[in-house]
Amino acid sequence: RKEVEQDPGPFNVPEGATVAFNCTYSNSASQSFFWYRQDCRKEPKLLMSVYSSGNEDGRFTAQLNRASQYISLLIRDSKLSDSATYLCVVHGSYIPTFGRGTSLIVHP
Amino acid sequence: DVKVTQSSRYLVKRTGEKVFLECVQDMDHENMFWYRQDPGLGLRLIYFSYDVKMKEKGDIPEGYSVSREKKERFSLILESASTNQTSMYLCASNFETGGNYGYTFGSGTRLTVV
Repeated sequence: RKEVEQDPGPFNVPEGATVAFNCTYSNSASQSFFWYRQDCRKEPKLLMSVYSSGNEDGRFTAQLNRASQYISLLIRDSKLSDSATYLCVVHGSYIPTFGRGTSLIVHP
Repeated sequence: DVKVTQSSRYLVKRTGEKVFLECVQDMDHENMFWYRQDPGLGLRLIYFSYDVKMKEKGDIPEGYSVSREKKERFSLILESASTNQTSMYLCASNFETGGNYGYTFGSGTRLTVV
């Protein structure tokens, strides 16, 4: 079983839609979690951290479910500019493990 | 903002050449990382470093070495480049061991070995 798994997609949604991605992880001792966004041929950039209590940043909501060992990212009111690959990152004691990413395409 | 700078955006090298990829960060981060990213395989960790002159192997260290003589600079060395090392190479840094803070990436070096 891979340490961190994501559905590669692509998720193809119309503008204004709500879309959610999940990311499962295998190491129950994982301590911190992040979502990154990567545009085509660019470097990954931190989108948001994921806290145990869940957190929201504008149209984006991240949640952690430790019991089921997954994190989620919800995007409301999708914009064309949200089209990108979304990487989840799970951090154990020292080094991070990246998921392979979920591709999102928002169309008019 | 933290800035991570990679010396070259695009690089073309011949098989067998020794290749140096340089990475510099300007925020006094202890931790620095080298990844390669390939389609369908995601980001794979090559080497990382928690301090000057300290290095640890990641998941795919074979064919690579690293150097960290100064805190701000972390170099990746391909001892004898091969075509299967054609890839996007990404350097990253962060402040704290344990990952409570996110990682900042450089803009990447797209290396082609011919």
